[in-house]
Amino acid sequence: DTGVSQDPRHKITKRGQNVTFRCDPISEHNRLYWYRQTLGQGPEFLTYFQNEAQLEKSRLLSDRFSAERPKGSFSTLEIQRTEQGDSAMYLCASSVQGAGYTFGSGTRLTVV
Amino acid sequence: QKEVEQNSGPLSVPEGAIASLNCTYSDRGSQSFFWYRQYSGKSPELIMFIYSNGDKEDGRFTAQLNKASQYVSLLIRDSQPSDSATYLCAVRADMRFGAGTRLTVKP
Repeated sequence: DTGVSQDPRHKITKRGQNVTFRCDPISEHNRLYWYRQTLGQGPEFLTYFQNEAQLEKSRLLSDRFSAERPKGSFSTLEIQRTEQGDSAMYLCASSVQGAGYTFGSGTRLTVV
Repeated sequence: QKEVEQNSGPLSVPEGAIASLNCTYSDRGSQSFFWYRQYSGKSPELIMFIYSNGDKEDGRFTAQLNKASQYVSLLIRDSQPSDSATYLCAVRADMRFGAGTRLTVKP
């Protein structure tokens, strides 16, 4: 499969726990993006990487969120001390610079 | 003002009609514009992109860009029930999305 892979597909966690999601982009894509989407809304930008460098992080993103792309390949998104408001679909996408995105299937997070 | 605004709809058209979806944006320096389709429960998928003023056609889809007025639109000709989805407008290479317009094509 040469698409964007996300793992896990679903995650249920208790409030206050930490969670980590993984994204494997298309191998030749140097840009990787994280978005969050809730029902009835468009994807909300969280952060993006060009190779291993994190170039932009949404100012709406609290300090509980952190993302890494250590070798310019896969990326992880960690949410610490989860809250119920973090429940959403977390989407990863990759692209080459200036081109449209290819999205992964997403990780659906439910915080109970 | 939001960076990208779309009429959230829902928009309903009969099968075979033309569906017109509109998007306005605030960043006058934006150079690239994208339309995505998102079926319920699925991830967005790229339909079209446009960089230059005017029209760009791809099959039943036409994207129209007017940079002076800061709007971009998507026309779907001969609409089919399978076109029923949410259509997302995205602006700039680092992708700010609108909230999407939900389209229903009725048989």
